Amino acid sequence: GAVVSQHPSRVICKSGTSVKIECRSLDFQATTMFWYRQFPKQSLMLMATSNEGSKATYEQGVEKDKFLINHASLTLSTLTVTSAHPEDSSFYICSALDGPEQFFGPGTRLTVL
Amino acid sequence: KQEVTQIPAALSVPEGENLVLNCSFTDSAIYNLQWFRQDPGKGLTSLLLIQSSQREQTSGRLNASLDKSSGRSTLYIAASQPGDSATYLCAVDNYGQNFVFGPGTRLSVLP
Repeated sequence: GAVVSQHPSRVICKSGTSVKIECRSLDFQATTMFWYRQFPKQSLMLMATSNEGSKATYEQGVEKDKFLINHASLTLSTLTVTSAHPEDSSFYICSALDGPEQFFGPGTRLTVL
Repeated sequence: KQEVTQIPAALSVPEGENLVLNCSFTDSAIYNLQWFRQDPGKGLTSLLLIQSSQREQTSGRLNASLDKSSGRSTLYIAASQPGDSATYLCAVDNYGQNFVFGPGTRLSVLP
């Protein structure tokens, strides 16, 4: 099946810094990618839908100015957590749409100290 | 290395029928297990989350069970409806590691 990569797999940063997470579709082009996050002991929740060449669509309760999404090419979407705080510590996972099928990245664990 | 499998790969049932979807995983040292629904062109919808210390979770017509020792989970859907048609994914979260998703079961509920 198609492969989606995420980088980095783990990141630890200080409060107030910004962190960028990359999501790449390695062997297919994806006009649509999704970003999810999961807080401890909670379900995985969709944060936003990223469409190549246009603005991302954010789910209710997700701050678009805090979680900047850029989908500048058909193989790359980035999620930037700006001015990260400890409450942003979470597991972030992306997925990319290849036709009707969705392929997931391995995830990024963010820890904000 | 954790591997997750799901049986059957596809299932077609008439409306109103009860059904069971199966998920198996190779490493029982999991943090939790989740069942998701995936509609074509849409993001994941989380259905049920079972922590490693729990044996089952229920939400409406859905019931998920977990048997860690045998590496199995089942998703039971009661009184199926055409709106239940989707792909159902299970995913396991290992301690400190990344999610491992199963390949999914494509469910079609015929009116």
